[in-house]
Amino acid sequence: DAKTTQPNSMESNEEEPVHLPCNHSTISGTDYIHWYRQLPSQGPEYVIHGLTSNVNNRMASLAIAEDRKSSTLILHRATLRDAAVYYCILISGSARQLTFGSGTQLTVLP
Amino acid sequence: GAGVSQSPSNKVTEKGKDVELRCDPISGHTALYWYRQSLGQGLEFLIYFQGNSAPDKSGLPSDRFSAERTGGSVSTLTIQRTQQEDSAVYLCASSIRPGGGQETQYFGPGTRLLVL
Repeated sequence: DAKTTQPNSMESNEEEPVHLPCNHSTISGTDYIHWYRQLPSQGPEYVIHGLTSNVNNRMASLAIAEDRKSSTLILHRATLRDAAVYYCILISGSARQLTFGSGTQLTVLP
Repeated sequence: GAGVSQSPSNKVTEKGKDVELRCDPISGHTALYWYRQSLGQGLEFLIYFQGNSAPDKSGLPSDRFSAERTGGSVSTLTIQRTQQEDSAVYLCASSIRPGGGQETQYFGPGTRLLVL
């Protein structure tokens, strides 16, 4: 699977929007962009995924650049419970396992 | 509905002993995955099952590690002759069907293994 690059850490104030960036310049046409997050002492949790178009669900929004070489996970109103490591993962059609990078540690300040 | 469950939640063992870790996937999920996460490290893929078959065992770190799945449901990861470097959180995940960009994996809470 192609590689992703994320900032090691980010901070946000509670109740403010958070934009978590991910670069994936070597993405192929069949790679889906997935986001998972891992809260402290828990297993990873699916957040959202997309292919080309922007996506919204109850947890977050995913904005995908037109050339698909980058994407942004948007938490519209950060809460203290959103403090976690956020992973951006590319998954091809033939892939089975998830390949996690180092992710972005999000700190939410009260 | 019930999520992925794992047992035990914590396991402390002595070097050289064998351990068995259990995973109960979400009912109806045909695909099951094992990962491990060492302290301060990312998640490392170990093995996945499609039904009771394991098409990809490439992530198993040594022949001391084995896994099986019976009845297309419960899976057991066995570590023989445990070593201190086996200490990690072992995570299980399941999905309705295996892989591909459209599938979501649902993770269990993990088993924290400490080898003394």
